[in-house]
Amino acid sequence: KQEVTQIPAALSVPEGENLVLNCSFTDSAIYNLQWFRQDPGKGLTSLLLIQSSQREQTSGRLNASLDKSSGRSTLYIAASQPGDSATYLCAVRAFTGSARQLTFGSGTQLTVLP
Amino acid sequence: GAVVSQHPSWVICKSGTSVKIECRSLDFQATTMFWYRQFPKQSLMLMATSNEGSKATYEQGVEKDKFLINHASLTLSTLTVTSAHPEDSSFYICSARVISGGVGSTDTQYFGPGTRLTVL
Repeated sequence: KQEVTQIPAALSVPEGENLVLNCSFTDSAIYNLQWFRQDPGKGLTSLLLIQSSQREQTSGRLNASLDKSSGRSTLYIAASQPGDSATYLCAVRAFTGSARQLTFGSGTQLTVLP
Repeated sequence: GAVVSQHPSWVICKSGTSVKIECRSLDFQATTMFWYRQFPKQSLMLMATSNEGSKATYEQGVEKDKFLINHASLTLSTLTVTSAHPEDSSFYICSARVISGGVGSTDTQYFGPGTRLTVL
């Protein structure tokens, strides 16, 4: 059974810092990996999706990498802003099964201090 | 991008009553929809996978008679929490799956904004 772990569980940084969020998964047979942002009491906003054949994806100040063989992904946030404060979730999609289910990590709660 | 809506966004009900939550894909058809539950400060846990026109597949530990799922059309799935109890209070999120075929095929899920259920 796929297990997804995110470290750290919480992170607090001053505005302007670059930071890295970590995600690890136990089964490397994945279809893709996705990073989401969740604001308190809200749904999920997809940030980046990396297909299993890709190594990284970039969107603005965000860069996500994928090392499938080692079961790891990182989300790099450059020049952090208070508006980046949220919970960041990593999810992997199974390669097998008709539904290709997503398995979520427990998230990293990020606070960017002004 | 594809939009998924949920209604209601929040609901408060008395213990023992039933609550229906709707999930709609607004500008696309979804053959598969997923229902998740999220307790405070925890991640999303998959409850069930719903395919249009067939019975839902429930995850281990999820009572199918308590959480009734109906996926009557390609744009609508409903989750009914029957005889709700305070322990059912949670944030329920639906997701619709879109598969595009051909070269560079993709398999993507779009998430609804969630429904906050509070059972008194």
